[in-house]
Amino acid sequence: DTAVSQTPKYLVTQMGNDKSIKCEQNLGHDTMYWYKQDSKKFLKIMFSYNNKELIINETVPNRFSPKSPDKAHLNLHINSLELGDSAVYFCASSQDSGRTGELFFGEGSRLTVL
Amino acid sequence: AQSVSQHNHHVILSEAASLELGCNYSYGGTVNLFWYVQYPGQHLQLLLKYFSGDPLVKGIKGFEAEFIKSKFSFNLRKPSVQWSDTAEYFCAVKWVDTGRRALTFGSGTRLQVQP
Repeated sequence: DTAVSQTPKYLVTQMGNDKSIKCEQNLGHDTMYWYKQDSKKFLKIMFSYNNKELIINETVPNRFSPKSPDKAHLNLHINSLELGDSAVYFCASSQDSGRTGELFFGEGSRLTVL
Repeated sequence: AQSVSQHNHHVILSEAASLELGCNYSYGGTVNLFWYVQYPGQHLQLLLKYFSGDPLVKGIKGFEAEFIKSKFSFNLRKPSVQWSDTAEYFCAVKWVDTGRRALTFGSGTRLQVQP
């Protein structure tokens, strides 16, 4: 049983399209995150939800919109995709409202924009 | 701004060599410290963590790290690396008393172990 699962794992699409990535965790954690890993492997926080409430919203273009229907799910929708959006997007979860900082990561979704 | 620095961007070692990867963070106060490893094509996995207590912590696969508060450092060590340790290594810091809820990651160190 995968603890944090993301779909799809690979996504290839054209500029201007809209796409979504889904994430689910079965760890019973209360906080979920989206991180972006660029081509140089740098990891940057994008969003975080705690019990369906948005608690972190870093400087991310409005084209990115997260949605958390419940505390076990966090989805990421991206409108009008641009070349610079090509990256690996990691979902992660944590317990205790993220107090300790320990994260459990999904396997990543590699987005390629052509 | 709070930041995490990993000074070694790319390290190449032969099998059985000893490893030390540096990690420094920019701001004092109470911190929780982590090292994550990312094997090629895989997700990040926790190697070890420090919250409090003994500043020398042991993790999985023979890795250990030492927290030196006065130097704001949390260096990762392994006495003898194996080819299977080839991976990207990330140091991460959680500042406990600033209210920032996310982990801040360093830029990563790519370790290449040659057989």
